[in-house]
Amino acid sequence: GAVVSQHPSRVICKSGTSVKIECRSLDFQATTMFWYRQFPKKSLMLMATSNEGSKATYEQGVEKDKFLINHASLTLSTLTVTSAHPEDSSFYICSARGTAGSGYTFGSGTRLTVV
Amino acid sequence: DQQVKQNSPSLSVQEGRISILNCDYTNSMFDYFLWYKKYPAEGPTFLISISSIKDKNEDGRFTVFLNKSAKHLSLHIVPSQPGDSAVYFCAATDNNNDMRFGAGTRLTVKP
Repeated sequence: GAVVSQHPSRVICKSGTSVKIECRSLDFQATTMFWYRQFPKKSLMLMATSNEGSKATYEQGVEKDKFLINHASLTLSTLTVTSAHPEDSSFYICSARGTAGSGYTFGSGTRLTVV
Repeated sequence: DQQVKQNSPSLSVQEGRISILNCDYTNSMFDYFLWYKKYPAEGPTFLISISSIKDKNEDGRFTVFLNKSAKHLSLHIVPSQPGDSAVYFCAATDNNNDMRFGAGTRLTVKP
């Protein structure tokens, strides 16, 4: 079945630095990528939706200059948390969708800790 | 590795009947399980959850059953309505709160 590889699985960074999270679709072309942030035991919060080759569409309240999303190819999307602060510490997860009508595949998530 | 599995990619039921969505997991450290519902072009929305100390949790038309010995949980929707048509994701977390998702099951409820 469809697989989305997400790296790194865990990262610890210093406050003020930037962190890049990658999601790769291994055996299908991800025309649409969703990026979520998850809080403990709570619902996922959709941060942004990106279509290959287009600018990402950010949800209300998500700072696009802080959370940079790049979806330059059909198999790779990246989320960069710029100038990270401790409140950015969370679990970030991507979900990829191929062609219209196909299913959604989640990555394994990235646990970000900002110290 | 796929720690959470939803082996049925799709399910079709008649309006008014019961929908049963199944989910299996392999990691015995999971202690909290959630079901999410996703409409097209929207993010998943939380539906119902269950702690590993329980074997059943009910919320209106939705009931989640947990069988820890079988590492299996299921979501029952009774009665099913056309508005329930969506993709349903099973998810599980452990003490680290890292969430693992199944591949989803597309439910279609026919009028």
